[in-house]
Amino acid sequence: NAGVTQTPKFRILKIGQSMTLQCTQDMNHNYMYWYRQDPGMGLKLIYYSVGAGITDKGEVPNGYNVSRSTTEDFPLRLELAAPSQTSVYFCASRDRFYREYFGPGTRLTVL
Amino acid sequence: AQSVTQLGSHVSVSEGALVLLRCNYSSSVPPYLFWYVQYPNQGLQLLLKYTSAATLVKGINGFEAEFKKSETSFHLTKPSAHMSDAAEYFCAVTNAGGTSYGKLTFGQGTILTVHP
Repeated sequence: NAGVTQTPKFRILKIGQSMTLQCTQDMNHNYMYWYRQDPGMGLKLIYYSVGAGITDKGEVPNGYNVSRSTTEDFPLRLELAAPSQTSVYFCASRDRFYREYFGPGTRLTVL
Repeated sequence: AQSVTQLGSHVSVSEGALVLLRCNYSSSVPPYLFWYVQYPNQGLQLLLKYTSAATLVKGINGFEAEFKKSETSFHLTKPSAHMSDAAEYFCAVTNAGGTSYGKLTFGQGTILTVHP
């Protein structure tokens, strides 16, 4: 049972480039979330999904997009990267007892 | 609407001393409350959760938290700190109803330092 896995672990982008952060969970959870973590700011919800084919915006969705074609995968797409998107990104899934399981994170720098 | 305030961005204790990390919440409906821990360069791990059962909740690694509705608080405690407790701790709130879909709102985090 791998839990929640994220790739890549680190990435440096130039302004205006695009990339996809991958997230996969093997626990058959319907609920999945993307957060960004900035120092001293806690975690902010970017997008979430309540099941395959259903996604919705969180608190800070601008500049990001998501899709959920399967229960297992929930990729986060960054279009036209900006320095403000420099952050650590965490994917999480949630069980029916409201316990969230987090991936190890992707550290993204936009220069 | 829901929110969480963690009092103190940094807490420093000696090994063997009491650990007290403060969390106050705001929620328009009965809340579910959580404490998560984050070790350096890792994701968050659940320490404990309150979901309207017993108000004193015991978690992993000797931590516990008490839900006090009258004070809108959910403070995290541990009787005796260990060096391995050094990490960042996050309080979070959600509710099970309506359109929240269990979305968590996190506090800004408290970094715990443990001195020998």
